[in-house]
Amino acid sequence: GENVEQHPSTLSVQEGDSAVIKCTYSDSASNYFPWYKQELGKGPQLIIDIRSNVGEKKDQRIAVTLNKTAKHFSLHITETQPEDSAVYFCATGGGYNKLIFGAGTRLAVHP
Amino acid sequence: KAGVTQTPRYLIKTRGQQVTLSCSPISGHRSVSWYQQTPGQGLQFLFEYFSETQRNKGNFPGRFSGRQFSNSRSEMNVSTLELGDSALYLCASFDQRVQETQYFGPGTRLLVL
Repeated sequence: GENVEQHPSTLSVQEGDSAVIKCTYSDSASNYFPWYKQELGKGPQLIIDIRSNVGEKKDQRIAVTLNKTAKHFSLHITETQPEDSAVYFCATGGGYNKLIFGAGTRLAVHP
Repeated sequence: KAGVTQTPRYLIKTRGQQVTLSCSPISGHRSVSWYQQTPGQGLQFLFEYFSETQRNKGNFPGRFSGRQFSNSRSEMNVSTLELGDSALYLCASFDQRVQETQYFGPGTRLLVL
């Protein structure tokens, strides 16, 4: 069945360090891979997404890489700041506008 | 543009009651999906609507239902509430021209006592 595994579940870094979150998926039909950031008391906020015809995408301090053969994709945050502290979710989409989410990674950035 | 709005933001109900949650998508978006978020099960897809038609449904019991109106606003209803229905219910809006790029609202937090 459809499944997305996300690691690690918690991540603690010092301000200025890089953070990497990894996800693997099972459905070969997945062709859309968004990442969301959720702060306390708020809904998930789309921060970056990538489609299956692209291997890497970057937006300022955030980048996502995709390896379709291995069925995994990763989020990279460079020069982390305290305001990056939140829960991050990966997800996959394979049509029909239904997203399958990973379990989330709680990122803590310490000043 | 204004974002996705959901009402009410918080709700307390007792077992056996029913509840209706409302979602207004981003202006111009005609597609809406609903998700349930709990600490134990994470984010799970409930259903998706486009032009008043349900196109996709997740693995939830029939107590969970929804609809979409001609102005794209959507409602979801949960009947015969159970303690396990306590969750954050999220609505996401998306532009059909950009497949699957979904923008979430702040959610409605439902507590069932």
